[in-house]
Amino acid sequence: EAQVTQNPRYLITVTGKKLTVTCSQNMNHEYMSWYRQDPGLGLRQIYYSMNVEVTDKGDVPEGYKVSRKEKRNFPLILESPSPNQTSLYFCASSSLYPATLNEQFFGPGTRLTVL
Amino acid sequence: AQKVTQAQTEISVVEKEDVTLDCVYETRDTTYYLFWYKQPPSGELVFLIRRNSFDEQNEISGRYSWNFQKSTSSFNFTITASQVVDSAVYFCALKIGNEKLTFGTGTRLTIIP
Repeated sequence: EAQVTQNPRYLITVTGKKLTVTCSQNMNHEYMSWYRQDPGLGLRQIYYSMNVEVTDKGDVPEGYKVSRKEKRNFPLILESPSPNQTSLYFCASSSLYPATLNEQFFGPGTRLTVL
Repeated sequence: AQKVTQAQTEISVVEKEDVTLDCVYETRDTTYYLFWYKQPPSGELVFLIRRNSFDEQNEISGRYSWNFQKSTSSFNFTITASQVVDSAVYFCALKIGNEKLTFGTGTRLTIIP
């Protein structure tokens, strides 16, 4: 089954404790992305990657890191989480070509609370 | 820069009523893609439809229909004979080529039994 998986689904942590949210897709997609969802703001892109070892900032990258060492994985790293990073996080992937088939597949979401 | 506006923050209707969710977008590109996603209370994002900018045909899928009008930069979504299971947050989104999805702020739809 084609899917995007995220782990963990729920996480409560404390300020300053490094954490990683994993994301994996089994569709051989080139493009992967992280979004955060906050009330009244919709979803905003944090980082994206067009291929292995190629990553770039989205609209709200501050406080986050990513890596793309393998095509299927795109972990989101919070080196020193703060309460304003409490949010619902989504990973997404899509094929780059052809552009007409560029639907983004979303993971189930990770609800993060930073105390 | 791209922008998507969903002016309706919350809508409540009684079951079996029809309801239309508005979406207005802004872009200078002539080739783009428009999407609607549903987010039920469980939190996942459910893909509903994708529409290419060069295809203005309206689409109907069961009780769902979409009205795409380039002249007004709108991509509205209508649910006919609403049901309680339609209660969710609905997002409209815009994509240019291989760039990111630009989301609206969402409309929370509540269907009252």
